[in-house]
Amino acid sequence: SAVISQKPSRDICQRGTSLTIQCQVDSQVTMMFWYRQQPGQSLTLIATANQGSEATYESGFVIDKFPISRPNLTFSTLTVSNMSPEDSSIYLCSVTTGGVGYGYTFGSGTRLTVV
Amino acid sequence: RKEVEQDPGPFNVPEGATVAFNCTYSNSASQSFFWYRQDCRKEPKLLMSVYSSGNEDGRFTAQLNRASQYISLLIRDSKLSDSATYLCVVNDGNTGKLIFGQGTTLQVKP
Repeated sequence: SAVISQKPSRDICQRGTSLTIQCQVDSQVTMMFWYRQQPGQSLTLIATANQGSEATYESGFVIDKFPISRPNLTFSTLTVSNMSPEDSSIYLCSVTTGGVGYGYTFGSGTRLTVV
Repeated sequence: RKEVEQDPGPFNVPEGATVAFNCTYSNSASQSFFWYRQDCRKEPKLLMSVYSSGNEDGRFTAQLNRASQYISLLIRDSKLSDSATYLCVVNDGNTGKLIFGQGTTLQVKP
C-alpha cells in the first residue's frame, strides 16, 4: 500500500488565520480524499482532490473555506481558511492505489486547534 | 437515516472473550465493504475487507449479508491490544468515496 507523509502533525492557530496541510504520497495515485474527524466523531469526507481540475466538495463544505490543490498524482494540499474554534478537528488525507474494491490508506492526520 | 450505522458501544469485555460488532448500510448499490481499526489519536488503518463469502484472518471473522445490507465483525479470544475503535466502512461504487460508520469502541480488560 502507499505511504503518505502528512504535515503538519498538529498546530494551534489563531482565529481568522489560515492553515495549509500537505500530503505527499510515495507513488502516483488516482484518487485522493480529504476527511475531517471532529472530537469523538467518525470521519466525514470534505472533498475529493482531482488532479488537474477543481476538487469535488461534499455537502456542507465549500471551496472558499477549504481550498484544495492537486498539482500532480503524488501531492495535495488542503487549506482551512479564516479559521474559527469550530474548525478544531483532525484533518486526514486518504488515497487508494487500487480500484473501488481496495482499502484506503490514511495519512497520520493533522490535529488542529483554533484559539 | 445514516448511510452506515453502528452501535457505538462501548463494549467492555474480559480478555479471552468473543465479541461481535454489527453494522448496517443504506445504499444497496454499495460494492465494497471494510472494517477499519482506529487507535486513540491515530489514523484509521484497514483491518480487513469484507466479502459475501465471509472471510477470516486469525481471530477476526467478517461477514457480509447483501440482502439484509448487514456487515459483522467477530473477534475471538480478545486481547488487551484489541482495545480500539472499529469503524465499519462502505465504498460507494459509483464515486469511490468511503462512507464511515460512527465506530464501535472496544475495551478489553484483564
